[in-house]
Parts: sequence; structure tokens; C-alpha cells
Amino acid sequence: DTEVTQTPKHLVMGMTNKKSLKCEQHMGHRAMYWYKQKAKKPPELMFVYSYEKLSINESVPSRFSPECPNSSLLNLHLHALQPEDSALYLCASSQGLGGGRTGNTIYFGEGSWLTVV
Amino acid sequence: AQTVTQSQPEMSVQEAETVTLSCTYDTSENNYYLFWYKQPPSRQMILVIRQEAYKQQNATENRFSVNFQKAAKSFSLKISDSQLGDTAMYFCAFTDLTYTGTASKLTFGTGTRLQVTL
Repeated sequence: DTEVTQTPKHLVMGMTNKKSLKCEQHMGHRAMYWYKQKAKKPPELMFVYSYEKLSINESVPSRFSPECPNSSLLNLHLHALQPEDSALYLCASSQGLGGGRTGNTIYFGEGSWLTVV
Repeated sequence: AQTVTQSQPEMSVQEAETVTLSCTYDTSENNYYLFWYKQPPSRQMILVIRQEAYKQQNATENRFSVNFQKAAKSFSLKISDSQLGDTAMYFCAFTDLTYTGTASKLTFGTGTRLQVTL
């Protein structure tokens, strides 16, 4: 069972809506990630938070806004999305430096299916 | 830049048989980690196995084992006694020890879709 929990599992939103995806991890990890995955493709990195600070933004459009309220929580705020943004959004976490041999290992949640209509 | 190549888009294996999925990678780094992730139709990305580059011994996890050839930059996954539940997309992935803060960046291959049949 995954220890990275994502809600909601499915979301349908209109192009003018504002919604949020939520992620929580219970492993004490210090790095958290958002990935976007289209059908039959590998995940693409969007954002990385390290110690609650945004450390990587892979040139993601501003209609996606990440937030890390604390070391266990990660949100992705969505506004004015386009139909091509429909995808599976995966949250993930890793222990990071000091995590020994498992520090680099990234663990994924079950994902949130997003459909933009 | 690192690249990961999976040359087998689809594979099929009968239940109880053994199958090997191929992965090659390219990097100039000496220290790095390699992973195989499994993504069943439910779409959750599940870690199957991990290999540290500095370890010569191949990693094993129950029915899953790897053949890690560092000089050849090859990292294949062997699944023994295949089960219907092994049906999934399998991604090979790479990360080096170049941290940004405490985080890692994964480079994925394009995936191999494995179908286990009766």
C-alpha cells in the first residue's frame, strides 16, 4: 500500500474553474514532487519541493500553481486549464539527503485523474 | 544529459514463464541509482526494484531480479514465474546524485508494456 495519498482520485473541471489537487505523505520525507503523465507516456516532472521550498519548476505554465504548506502536504492549484491539460497527475516523495541508501528513491501516490472540459 | 532507452514497446509472456525486459542508459556520472517501476492499469506507479551503481551485486526482490552491467550501461529486469498480476507498463528510470536541495530527478525510459497470458 502506498504511503503517498492523493485526493481526489478523479476530477472533472471546466476551463474557467479553480480546483486543487492534494497530496499527503506519511513517511517523513523532505522532498515532494508533482508529475504529469499522458496516456502511454512516462511521467514528466513538473515541480519539486525540498524542505518545503520550491527547488525545481520545469517551465510549467502559471495556470498550475504548487503549494507546500508543510513537509507532509503538497497541493497543486489549478486555474484556467486547457483540455490538453487532461492527464494523470502523480504526487511523489523521497527521503532525500541523509536518507541513506533509500534517500534517492522516489515513491508515488495513486494519482489524480484530471479531465478538463 | 542522461538518457534511458527501452527498446521493447510491448512484450508477452505466459503465466509461470520467465521474461526479461531490456533497458540501456547513458550517463557520464559514476555514482547513480537505477530503478524499475511498474504501472498496472490502475496507473499507480509502484517501485519494483532498485540498484545502486557502486554495488556489483545484482539486486533481487522475490521473483524480480536485475542484470546490471555498468560498463555496458545496461540494466535489464528478469521476472520469474510470471503471474497475471504482473501485467503492467514497466518503466526503467535513472537518477544520479546531483541533488537540488534534497531532491532527486528521475529520467524515465519510454516503457515496456508487458502482458501475461494464461
